[in-house]
Amino acid sequence: TQLLEQSPQFLSIQEGENLTVYCNSSSVFSSLQWYRQEPGEGPVLLVTVVTGGEVKKLKRLTFQFGDARKDSSLHITAAQTGDTGLYLCAGDRGYGNKLVFGAGTILRVKS
Amino acid sequence: DAGITQSPRHKVTETGTPVTLRCHQTENHRYMYWYRQDPGHGLRLIHYSYGVKDTDKGEVSDGYSVSRSKTEDFLLTLESATSSQTSVYFCAITGGSDYNEQFFGPGTRLTVL
Repeated sequence: TQLLEQSPQFLSIQEGENLTVYCNSSSVFSSLQWYRQEPGEGPVLLVTVVTGGEVKKLKRLTFQFGDARKDSSLHITAAQTGDTGLYLCAGDRGYGNKLVFGAGTILRVKS
Repeated sequence: DAGITQSPRHKVTETGTPVTLRCHQTENHRYMYWYRQDPGHGLRLIHYSYGVKDTDKGEVSDGYSVSRSKTEDFLLTLESATSSQTSVYFCAITGGSDYNEQFFGPGTRLTVL
């Protein structure tokens, strides 16, 4: 059982559509990060959220941290083909300098 | 660019042979990590290091060992490779922020036949 559950596992949409990816847990995290990974490359950090209820925007991407710091969401507005990739959430439980990763959401944006 | 390189980038080996993967960083960061990535599992921590000669196990450490004799190099060894260790291996460093933000190398694709 994953400590961080991501949903959906796979998402295929048309360019211009909106989408939301969820990252849920029963554990509390001191911070939560979102990464994006393209085929053949390592994950790249998109954002870190640290305060319950926090909302961060990165162009067309909106990230939210749940009030209880147990869950997070990533919303993409007007998806583009360049958004295609694997999106990973990762939580820091605040000890041991280790992250726990979700299984990832594969996003495919079709033109 | 966090200055992380991994070698080799691809390797095919046979069951029972020893394999060593190398991670090299140019940023002098204290924390280094080895993960494996498999479909449906995301990234799972194998071992990590918090300084020269200081290492600890992650959630999937069985069958793997690590060494860190210099700040810049973190080695992952499969003592006797098995087919279940076929995976993509990523090295990461912590960038020094307060939030354990990690920066990843390009990965090593290992196939054990």
